[in-house]
Amino acid sequence: AQTVTQSQPEMSVQEAETVTLSCTYDTSESDYYLFWYKQPPSRQMILVIRQEAYKQQNATENRFSVNFQKAAKSFSLKISDSQLGDAAMYFCAYRSVQGAQKLVFGQGTRLTINP
Amino acid sequence: EPEVTQTPSHQVTQMGQEVILRCVPISNHLYFYWYRQILGQKVEFLVSFYNNEISEKSEIFDDQFSVERPDGSNFTLKIRSTKLEDSAMYFCANRDFGFASTDTQYFGPGTRLTVL
Repeated sequence: AQTVTQSQPEMSVQEAETVTLSCTYDTSESDYYLFWYKQPPSRQMILVIRQEAYKQQNATENRFSVNFQKAAKSFSLKISDSQLGDAAMYFCAYRSVQGAQKLVFGQGTRLTINP
Repeated sequence: EPEVTQTPSHQVTQMGQEVILRCVPISNHLYFYWYRQILGQKVEFLVSFYNNEISEKSEIFDDQFSVERPDGSNFTLKIRSTKLEDSAMYFCANRDFGFASTDTQYFGPGTRLTVL
């Protein structure tokens, strides 16, 4: 079974600075998807960014980018120019391309933005 | 942009009572999921549903749980006899499918279930 590990329970960053959240995963599959979801205090799950494992190019979405290292099974999220609205729990998730394609989540990282 | 909706937003029930959590999916989405998040913990998969049947379920999804699409649109999760440990946030998610699919799961806002 696949597992996802986020080793940083909490992170903090100064507003306008850059922060990187770590995620590692374990799988024997060669093709899969990886996601970062944001969960603000409202507890809504909001998709931040996705990466297809077959793509070598790292995904980017405005201020959000990933560093996908397939051999190392690492998938970190970089947030540039941090804003107060970025404060939230961030969950890394894995999804197989086989079967029901459920999401397997990490434990989450709580990000605090200091003004 | 189409959204997944869930009702109620908060449900309080007594232990042993039945609850039904409802989800209105995005109209052209064919894959449905329920996830659970106990306060302070990670999000856990419960069940997936496709073509009017369960395609996969976790060990959490025991005989107390059931899912259905009663009217072909809404997607429900029923807990027959709630326990204290069922207190959690329950998320419905949908995934589209097909040529123009983003192949991404979109989450509803969640239902907070409190069992007393």
